[in-house]
Amino acid sequence: GQNIDQPTEMTATEGAIVQINCTYQTSGFNGLFWYQQHAGEAPTFLSYNVLDGLEEKGRFSSFLSRSKGYSYLLLKELQMKDSASYLCAVSDSNYQLIWGAGTKLIIKP
Amino acid sequence: GAVVSQHPSWVICKSGTSVKIECRSLDFQATTMFWYRQFPKQSLMLMATSNEGSKATYEQGVEKDKFLINHASLTLSTLTVTSAHPEDSSFYICSAPPSSDYNEQFFGPGTRLTVL
Repeated sequence: GQNIDQPTEMTATEGAIVQINCTYQTSGFNGLFWYQQHAGEAPTFLSYNVLDGLEEKGRFSSFLSRSKGYSYLLLKELQMKDSASYLCAVSDSNYQLIWGAGTKLIIKP
Repeated sequence: GAVVSQHPSWVICKSGTSVKIECRSLDFQATTMFWYRQFPKQSLMLMATSNEGSKATYEQGVEKDKFLINHASLTLSTLTVTSAHPEDSSFYICSAPPSSDYNEQFFGPGTRLTVL
């Protein structure tokens, strides 16, 4: 079967760095997405990785290792507004998104 | 960036009535749109894949006669929840990849349905 695993909840301090991990087992792979979702809102796109390595975009970076079925989202210089759920999703062989359950990130002052 | 709109953004209806939710791609064509449902504190659950000009593909456990999907044009897909019940209350979100690039997904803002 297809499976995406990520931690349920994480807590971090404002100004710090946090890494949210995601492991996956899917039928086919056409890329991995990270989305941010604030409560009551639709997800917003953060990053897309299809090749191994690190993609940096401002305070957010995303890493992918296809051989390990592993990705992480790295958030630097955390701000209170970063409190949200972070969803990992893999595009499978049919280009359908397989979603993780999401990681609720709590930022404390 | 590309924009996907949904209408209405929220709706309250009585049990037994039907509700139609529209999903539009505003500046690109989408031969395929996806409909998701999200219950509180849960991840998105794919309900169906809407295909322009053909029948929608429903995920296992989703009743196609209850959740009617019509993809009438390259920019519009509609989801009709028929004979709604309180357990259908949820957050419904559509997404659309541009026809030219399946590796992008643009999400609508979502529709919150409350069935009394």
